[in-house]
Amino acid sequence: KQEVTQIPAALSVPEGENLVLNCSFTDSAIYNLQWFRQDPGKGLTSLLLIQSSQREQTSGRLNASLDKSSGRSTLYIAASQPGDSATYLCAVRGGSYNTDKLIFGTGTRLQVFP
Amino acid sequence: DAGITQSPRHKVTETGTPVTLRCHQTENHRYMYWYRQDPGHGLRLIHYSYGVKDTDKGEVSDGYSVSRSKTEDFLLTLESATSSQTSVYFCAISGSSRDTQYFGPGTRLTVL
Repeated sequence: KQEVTQIPAALSVPEGENLVLNCSFTDSAIYNLQWFRQDPGKGLTSLLLIQSSQREQTSGRLNASLDKSSGRSTLYIAASQPGDSATYLCAVRGGSYNTDKLIFGTGTRLQVFP
Repeated sequence: DAGITQSPRHKVTETGTPVTLRCHQTENHRYMYWYRQDPGHGLRLIHYSYGVKDTDKGEVSDGYSVSRSKTEDFLLTLESATSSQTSVYFCAISGSSRDTQYFGPGTRLTVL
């Protein structure tokens, strides 16, 4: 059964710092991996989708990498801002016994203070 | 933002009563999903649909049923609500089974 873990569960950093959020998964036979952002009391906003054949994806100050063989993905946020404060979720699709359903991690709650 | 709405946005109900949540999309996406989000568990898939009248179970489907009679609407029904179904429910859509999923704003359901 695919399991997705995100470490750390919470992170607090000063504005301007570059930071890395981690996501690991137990079954490397995935189709793709998606990073989301969730603001308190809101739905999820898709940030980046990485296909299994890709190594990384970039959008603005965000860069997500994927190492399928080791079961890891990282989300790199450059020059963090208070507006980046949110919970970040990763989700994987696929795995040996899981077809097209997304399996979510429990998220990293990020606070960026001025 | 993808055109997804959920109704109601908040609901308080009593144990044993039926509850129906509605998800409406304007994107003409084929796939629609219902998730629940609980502290410590993250998001878990309840049911999903891959076309009109085509649905399948997710990870936590017991006590829930769904229907999809039109492309744009996906209904989630709690046949007899229990306190364990107190949660935030999210609807999502995607164009194909492996595409990006777009999420609605959520419905906060409290079962007393």
